[in-house]
Amino acid sequence: TQLLEQSPQFLSIQEGENLTVYCNSSSVFSSLQWYRQEPGEGPVLLVTVVTGGEVKKLKRLTFQFGDARKDSSLHITAAQPGDTGLYLCAGEAGNQFYFGTGTSLTVIP
Amino acid sequence: KAGVTQTPRYLIKTRGQQVTLSCSPISGHRSVSWYQQTPGQGLQFLFEYFSETQRNKGNFPGRFSGRQFSNSRSEMNVSTLELGDSALYLCASKQGASTEAFFGQGTRLTVV
Repeated sequence: TQLLEQSPQFLSIQEGENLTVYCNSSSVFSSLQWYRQEPGEGPVLLVTVVTGGEVKKLKRLTFQFGDARKDSSLHITAAQPGDTGLYLCAGEAGNQFYFGTGTSLTVIP
Repeated sequence: KAGVTQTPRYLIKTRGQQVTLSCSPISGHRSVSWYQQTPGQGLQFLFEYFSETQRNKGNFPGRFSGRQFSNSRSEMNVSTLELGDSALYLCASKQGASTEAFFGQGTRLTVV
């Protein structure tokens, strides 16, 4: 059962553009993580959000947790080729992580 | 601090064989979870071990099993391999109460 839906599934943009990735669910999570994964490697943790409505910034990346703790968004400002990768959200419930479907981002120089 | 280490990185097995994958968590982390990642299904949860006990289990057949040792290292075993078991197998470790999971680089299993 896929509890977390990410959109869009694929995104190809030019360097310097802005983008937003969405992670939606009908379930409530105690926390939500965002990961970036490169081909053949494991996901690398970017951020954890815990409180409903929480906003965290990591350089050009802004993460927001929905007020009801059911959804989250990732906004990237002025995307760079180094941002290319698979972005995964993961919600924690009952000591288990439920991963989103993933958003494959390609930033073209 | 060393990260999560998975061995081997790559593995090729024949249908019907069995395979054992290993995961060494970050020092001090007592929880180890295993995931299967395929292009079609994404990341699917297999099971989680905490202090040598299986705490959670995903929806996979009994051919998939695991265990955790007293030093928190974990192994995952797949018996009677099928072509569909070809995937990237990832393990993640976390401290007991921590909300953050850290992943290893994965083991790429190819079943031929």
